[in-house]
Amino acid sequence: SQQGEEDPQALSIQEGENATMNCSYKTSINNLQWYRQNSGRGLVHLILIRSNEREKHSGRLRVTLDTSKKSSSLLITASRAADTASYFCATPLEYNNNDMRFGAGTRLTVKP
Amino acid sequence: EPEVTQTPSHQVTQMGQEVILRCVPISNHLYFYWYRQILGQKVEFLVSFYNNEISEKSEIFDDQFSVERPDGSNFTLKIRSTKLEDSAMYFCASSGVNWAGELFFGEGSRLTVL
Repeated sequence: SQQGEEDPQALSIQEGENATMNCSYKTSINNLQWYRQNSGRGLVHLILIRSNEREKHSGRLRVTLDTSKKSSSLLITASRAADTASYFCATPLEYNNNDMRFGAGTRLTVKP
Repeated sequence: EPEVTQTPSHQVTQMGQEVILRCVPISNHLYFYWYRQILGQKVEFLVSFYNNEISEKSEIFDDQFSVERPDGSNFTLKIRSTKLEDSAMYFCASSGVNWAGELFFGEGSRLTVL
């Protein structure tokens, strides 16, 4: 399988805490992306990290990428109830960078 | 802000019937995709489409499925003879001319096969 696999499957935290989600993948990639999905809605792109980058920030999001371990993490700092959603990592096919494959996602619940 | 639109938002059909799900990708995008998601499960790739032909397709995308870009704006997914297990949320996505990697998704079409 070429898609990423997220860990944990589900995460429940209190508002204000940090949430960390992990993604592992199997093939060589030139980028990895994280998406968010509110229940029953479409996926929304959050952040893209390229294979020559180790860390990237966007607002309260911090993404790391370790190509030697074929893993990535998404950290949401100072979480809010509105961050409650499913989070997916996506990786491209090894031979076709335009085609993204998604993992099963991490279901994050942030309790107010 | 440009967006991907999908119709219908929900379709209920009888097993064996044909279904067409419609998508209008963002206008200057060149790459188009269909994904599906069975309730609460992972987002599964079905097919990608570029330059008026299928670029990649998954094992799920068998002979019952077809895609078309009939008029330069719509991108359709047809399921010829629906099965109960086709019940899922179907998402259309597109990505841009200057490839930045980001996929833009529609809100999905929920298909219920009875």
